[in-house]
Amino acid sequence: QKEVEQDPGPLSVPEGAIVSLNCTYSNSAFQYFMWYRQYSRKGPELLMYTYSSGNKEDGRFTAQVDKSSKYISLFIRDSQPSDSATYLCAMRVFNKFYFGSGTKLNVKP
Amino acid sequence: DGGITQSPKYLFRKEGQNVTLSCEQNLNHDAMYWYRQDPGQGLRLIYYSQIVNDFQKGDIAEGYSVSREKKESFPLTVTSAQKNPTAFYLCAAGGQGTSGNTIYFGEGSWLTVV
Repeated sequence: QKEVEQDPGPLSVPEGAIVSLNCTYSNSAFQYFMWYRQYSRKGPELLMYTYSSGNKEDGRFTAQVDKSSKYISLFIRDSQPSDSATYLCAMRVFNKFYFGSGTKLNVKP
Repeated sequence: DGGITQSPKYLFRKEGQNVTLSCEQNLNHDAMYWYRQDPGQGLRLIYYSQIVNDFQKGDIAEGYSVSREKKESFPLTVTSAQKNPTAFYLCAAGGQGTSGNTIYFGEGSWLTVV
């Protein structure tokens, strides 16, 4: 079983839709949770970073962590074609990071 | 301009050759990492270093070597012992404690064996 599971998609939505991206994990020791956006042939870019259970909002993005269910989500409101990318979840325990395989998102104009 | 610089962006290697990928950071982070990304497999950790002159193997270290002589630099050598080196290589840097509970990536290096 992988440490972090993420649906690879692809996920295709119309412009303006609310997007929900999710990851589950098995290691209860994970302490920090991150979401990265990766455009084709580029390095991942940090979008959101959370520590505790609950919600964290930044503009059109909301990151949600449920430690009791070992489940994290990223919501994108009013999605734009420029949001089309692969989204990676990541988790940290001590000095090691574990990544999901990424969900490919396509926002259609 | 701050950040993590990887070079070269594209590299072609003949079988049997060693190649070295450069990674430089000016973020003053203690820890640096090398990941390999293959389609559908996410990021896999090759090596990481938490401090100068010290580094640890990751999950797929075989066929790779690193050095950490300076805080700013963490080069990766892909040796001829690496059986399937064609991949996208990502360098990352992060701190420790409250100022660095996450990591930041460079733009990556594409290595193709010809």
